[in-house]
Amino acid sequence: GENVEQHPSTLSVQEGDSAVIKCTYSDSASNYFPWYKQELGKRPQLIIDIRSNVGEKKDQRIAVTLNKTAKHFSLHITETQPEDSAVYFCAASPLGSGSARQLTFGSGTQLTVLP
Amino acid sequence: SQTIHQWPATLVQPVGSPLSLECTVEGTSNPNLYWYRQAAGRGLQLLFYSVGIGQISSEVPQNLSASRPQDRQFILSSKKLLLSDSGFYLCAWGRLRGYTFGSGTRLTVV
Repeated sequence: GENVEQHPSTLSVQEGDSAVIKCTYSDSASNYFPWYKQELGKRPQLIIDIRSNVGEKKDQRIAVTLNKTAKHFSLHITETQPEDSAVYFCAASPLGSGSARQLTFGSGTQLTVLP
Repeated sequence: SQTIHQWPATLVQPVGSPLSLECTVEGTSNPNLYWYRQAAGRGLQLLFYSVGIGQISSEVPQNLSASRPQDRQFILSSKKLLLSDSGFYLCAWGRLRGYTFGSGTRLTVV
């Protein structure tokens, strides 16, 4: 089955700096890679995703890159703000059956943005 | 609209007592449903998943069980809680674009 590794486990940056979180996956059949943000005591929420037919996707201050050959993908947050502080999870999913996918999650990264 | 509901939000239970957490989905049919647990405030551990009524797959041996009595209802249960069952429990609905999570249940076993 799929195995997803995520690094670093904790990350502290100064407000305004950039943050990068990296994940690797093992199953070459995986073709969908979402990122979730979980604020303290709340549910994880999807912030951005990428499919294997593209190498990069941006949404304002957030971007995700994918290297299929190396089987790794990364989350980039620019101009970090205190409200970006949260736990971030990467995930990977192979081709799903029907209309749903089964995700394998990374272990999470605690991002702290220092004012 | 399509939504997922999970309750209760918080629960404090004594060791040895039973547990029942409920998750329901609205606005869809035959959803894939999942139960996750977060211990130590970080990793998402998959406990159970279900692709249909009465179909339950268990990912890890444990003190918990799951049931799916109706298409859009997923229940997490225990007959006797252990201290190690404390954690944040999340129900999730599998969709084409990843998961939508319920709001979670904070369980403290005392």
